[in-house]
Amino acid sequence: AQTVTQSQPEMSVQEAETVTLSCTYDTSESNYYLFWYKQPPSRQMILVIRQEAYKQQNATENRFSVNFQKAAKSFSLKISDSQLGDTAMYFCAFRRAGNMLTFGGGTRLMVKP
Amino acid sequence: KAGVTQTPRYLIKTRGQQVTLSCSPISGHRSVSWYQQTPGQGLQFLFEYFSETQRNKGNFPGRFSGRQFSNSRSEMNVSTLELGDSALYLCASSLGQRGNTDTQYFGPGTRLTVL
Repeated sequence: AQTVTQSQPEMSVQEAETVTLSCTYDTSESNYYLFWYKQPPSRQMILVIRQEAYKQQNATENRFSVNFQKAAKSFSLKISDSQLGDTAMYFCAFRRAGNMLTFGGGTRLMVKP
Repeated sequence: KAGVTQTPRYLIKTRGQQVTLSCSPISGHRSVSWYQQTPGQGLQFLFEYFSETQRNKGNFPGRFSGRQFSNSRSEMNVSTLELGDSALYLCASSLGQRGNTDTQYFGPGTRLTVL
């Protein structure tokens, strides 16, 4: 079974600074997909960024980028120029072939003014 | 396009009752997945429906069931409610294409409280 671990339950960052959220996973699969989802307080979960395991290039979406280390089974999320609206729970998720997401426990990020 | 919608948004039930939650996926999406979110267990996969058939199932008791209609709308049912069933139930829709980056888009959830 796949497991996803987020070792930082809570983090905080000053507005405009950069923060990195960690995620590790365990799988014997070679073909899979990784996602970061954001869940703002009392709001719905939205996709931040996704990465296909077969792609060596790290995914980037505006201020969000990942550091994907396949051999180390690590998938961290870097948020640059943090904004107050980035305050949310962030979930790392794993999906192999099939449509079942396995989530990590989440990291609560607080962006401070 | 309208997003994923879930009804009702909030629900209060008592132990032993049953409940039905509804999810309408994004237009054109044929896969609907259900997740349970609790503070203790986090986000856990319940099941996925594709073209009216259950395609994947998580590790939940038989009290949890679902179905999907021809228009891809899905319902999940929980019978004989227990206090531990109190949770946010999230529905996610996707195109349902296996083997590629088929992203799931989530609805706002239904907050179920069991008293």
